[in-house]
Amino acid sequence: GAVVSQHPSRVICKSGTSVKIECRSLDFQATTMFWYRQFPKKSLMLMATSNEGSKATYEQGVEKDKFLINHASLTLSTLTVTSAHPEDSSFYICSARDWLRAGAKNIQYFGAGTRLSVL
Amino acid sequence: TQLLEQSPQFLSIQEGENLTVYCNSSSVFSSLQWYRQEPGEGPVLLVTVVTGGEVKKLKRLTFQFGDARKDSSLHITAAQTGDTGLYLCAGGGAGNMLTFGGGTRLMVKP
Repeated sequence: GAVVSQHPSRVICKSGTSVKIECRSLDFQATTMFWYRQFPKKSLMLMATSNEGSKATYEQGVEKDKFLINHASLTLSTLTVTSAHPEDSSFYICSARDWLRAGAKNIQYFGAGTRLSVL
Repeated sequence: TQLLEQSPQFLSIQEGENLTVYCNSSSVFSSLQWYRQEPGEGPVLLVTVVTGGEVKKLKRLTFQFGDARKDSSLHITAAQTGDTGLYLCAGGGAGNMLTFGGGTRLMVKP
């Protein structure tokens, strides 16, 4: 299957600082990437859809100024958590669609996730 | 809004037992994916079903898509401890998005 790399896998930061998470599609081009948040023992919650070359589409209740998304190339999307606070601590996961392989099947390939801990 | 209800939420069984996980919705999906996730990792795609009534087998795992493409099931035969994890169903709909079920946390005890 397609490979999606997410970095870093774990980050600990102080309250008030900003943290950037990278999501790369390694062997395919991804015009669309997705960012999810997962709380302990819960399912994935979609935060936003990242489209290459355009603004991200945020889900209801997700602050776009808090969670900045940039998708500047066909293989890289970044999520920046600005002015992080302890309540932002969570497991963040990105995914990407491989249009050539997935076609209309809506298959997403996921990164390994980033565990963010804000002190 | 499309919703997927997944059941059971939690399942603890002995090695060798069989189990079935269900994924139900009142909405029709163009495709249905099943993922397995281990702690601290991202979900890994197990299978995709796209045709109503479709059945796919992956070793001891059998996936079925309902005739009306509103529901799906995952059956595991002779569960092993390595099957332990979080199983997620996800329905494909409009806008390239996936709607995830709430997940089934499976624990297989030796």
